[in-house]
Amino acid sequence: TQLLEQSPQFLSIQEGENLTVYCNSSSVFSSLQWYRQEPGEGPVLLVTVVTGGEVKKLKRLTFQFGDARKDSSLHITAAQPGDTGLYLCAGRDRSWGKLQFGAGTQVVVTP
Amino acid sequence: GAVVSQHPSRVICKSGTSVKIECRSLDFQATTMFWYRQFPKQSLMLMATSNEGSKATYEQGVEKDKFLINHASLTLSTLTVTSAHPEDSSFYICSAREERDREETQYFGPGTRLLVL
Repeated sequence: TQLLEQSPQFLSIQEGENLTVYCNSSSVFSSLQWYRQEPGEGPVLLVTVVTGGEVKKLKRLTFQFGDARKDSSLHITAAQPGDTGLYLCAGRDRSWGKLQFGAGTQVVVTP
Repeated sequence: GAVVSQHPSRVICKSGTSVKIECRSLDFQATTMFWYRQFPKQSLMLMATSNEGSKATYEQGVEKDKFLINHASLTLSTLTVTSAHPEDSSFYICSAREERDREETQYFGPGTRLLVL
């Protein structure tokens, strides 16, 4: 079973639309990271959130960490075809220090 | 961000041969590196944690004699797939953990595509 639940699993939108990806867990994480992965490549780190309630913005991407540090969301404004990819959230467990990955959300943005 | 490299990027081998994959942290030292396996359209599955100067810690269900890990320096970890079989064909990705200002961040390599014939 996946410790981190990501939703939706797949998202197909038109260029210019907005989208939100959710990452939920019953566990508390010391930090949470969001990655984007393109086919045949390794995941690329987008952001790390550490503090409960934290909001970070990266151009058109907005990341939020839940107050209880159990969930997070990624919001993309005015999506572009270059935003296409597999978005992965990963939470760091306090006790082991290992990253726990969600199943990923495949985002496709069509022109 | 920090850079992690992997070599080779793709390899094709015959069944029964061994394949070595290298993972290097290029601009930072990593006492801890991780090896993942990824199947098509799935998330990353952690195989093992590689600690510099000590034995690797394998996840449940991963054969340590099949997937040999060596972390001989603070910038290099290797994964050797011994006596490879077609079912070992997969995308293998390494990751190196950077510790800076009390924060830990994992950076991933570009992955190695292994095809065993």
